[in-house]
Amino acid sequence: EAGVAQSPRYKIIEKRQSVAFWCNPISGHATLYWYQQILGQGPKLLIQFQNNGVVDDSQLPKDRFSAERLKGVDSTLKIQPAKLEDSAVYLCASSPYRGSSTDTQYFGPGTRLTVL
Amino acid sequence: AQSVTQLGSHVSVSEGALVLLRCNYSSSVPPYLFWYVQYPNQGLQLLLKYTSAATLVKGINGFEAEFKKSETSFHLTKPSAHMSDAAEYFCAVSRMGNTGNQFYFGTGTSLTVIP
Repeated sequence: EAGVAQSPRYKIIEKRQSVAFWCNPISGHATLYWYQQILGQGPKLLIQFQNNGVVDDSQLPKDRFSAERLKGVDSTLKIQPAKLEDSAVYLCASSPYRGSSTDTQYFGPGTRLTVL
Repeated sequence: AQSVTQLGSHVSVSEGALVLLRCNYSSSVPPYLFWYVQYPNQGLQLLLKYTSAATLVKGINGFEAEFKKSETSFHLTKPSAHMSDAAEYFCAVSRMGNTGNQFYFGTGTSLTVIP
C-alpha cells in the first residue's frame, strides 16, 4: 500500500511570494489533515477535510492560507503572501474513517518551507 | 481545553537502558491518547494509542504506555533502548469536538541513545 505522498519536499522562497504544496493521501482514505510543524514544536492542525468538505479550519490563517480538496482525493495548501514566520514543515496526513477520535493518522514525509 | 505536556524536551539514555518518556494530559472528558515517533526528515509514525480499552497499551518496536487516570499520565516506556530508537517522540490527545475530531500534539521529546 502506497503511503501519503507530498511534494515538493523542500521549498525556499522570498517573503511576500506565493507557494503551494500538494498532498495525495492513501487511496480510499476519507479524512485528510494539513499540519504546520515549526522547528522545536509539535505539529499544529491547520485544516481537516472529510472527503471534499472542510470539517475544521479554525487554526488556518485565512488571510494568507487556503486549502482545497477537489473530488475528495488529493489536496493543495497555498500560502499567499508568505511571511518569515511561515518557515516550517508542512505535514499532510490521512485516515481511513470518518475522522473519529480513535483514528490512526498516516503521515507523509512533509514539505520543508524556508521563507527568506 | 485539551492539551498535552511532555516533560523533558531532550532525553539521553545508554544503549540497553530503560527508556521513559513522560506525557501528561489535561482533559475534562476521557481522552484518546497517542504516541508518534518521527525520524529525521520523515513524517510521523504511530507507535501506539489508547482508546479506553486496556490501560496498558503495547505498540511497535517494543514500546508500551500505561494510561493512569489518577495521574493524568500516559508515559512511554521501553525496557531496553536500541540505537535505532533515537528519534523525536510526540504525545497527542484527541477528542470529538463541535467541529469534528480535534487533535493536539505535545512539543516533543528528542531521544538520544548513547552507545
